[in-house]
Amino acid sequence: KAGVTQTPRYLIKTRGQQVTLSCSPISGHRSVSWYQQTPGQGLQFLFEYFSETQRNKGNFPGRFSGRQFSNSRSEMNVSTLELGDSALYLCASSWMPSGVPTPYNEQFFGPGTRLTVL
Amino acid sequence: KNEVEQSPQNLTAQEGEFITINCSYSVGISALHWLQQHPGGGIVSLFMLSSGKKKHGRLIATINIQEKHSSLHITASHPRDSAVYICASRGGYGGSQGNLIFGKGTKLSVKP
Repeated sequence: KAGVTQTPRYLIKTRGQQVTLSCSPISGHRSVSWYQQTPGQGLQFLFEYFSETQRNKGNFPGRFSGRQFSNSRSEMNVSTLELGDSALYLCASSWMPSGVPTPYNEQFFGPGTRLTVL
Repeated sequence: KNEVEQSPQNLTAQEGEFITINCSYSVGISALHWLQQHPGGGIVSLFMLSSGKKKHGRLIATINIQEKHSSLHITASHPRDSAVYICASRGGYGGSQGNLIFGKGTKLSVKP
């Protein structure tokens, strides 16, 4: 089975622009979560999606948004980029055997998209 | 607000040594995860614990729910174990996985 894939792997943008990152989960996984990793703040939770619905959201401004499609692929969008948005953005997928998200499911991480904002 | 603290921040060991990384959290949780991150960014999930102890090869993870503490042990360490080890707690409930709240990570370097 192919792992979680993220595109693009590297991205350079300038302040004020917007960006869309894509995540394709492992086949059969219906849950996708997004995380931001920076040297100063470490890893922080952004969103959790399950069956096209946002189930949980982290403490990020409204410039950060996401969505999930019927094939479980997910995108996240950051509008009006700021220098502080430079980070590694990771997505992770989980298989929900019960069909209901629970805290007990292993997450499989993608390689990340490294975003640099100039 | 749940906070996750890891110690030590940095750890250098000689090949073959027994290694312990500690993780403490401040409020009750549903599950605790141990993750491994290699240079370049890739993250691998090592363990998910809600109680007791789990073992996988040379890695052992334990959790003490009453003391709100977990440890990751590496026996017979090897240079390929060099990585950042991150613990993360999850509150969650049925219907949501809950947020993962991460520790700052422990950077392990194993010298040959």
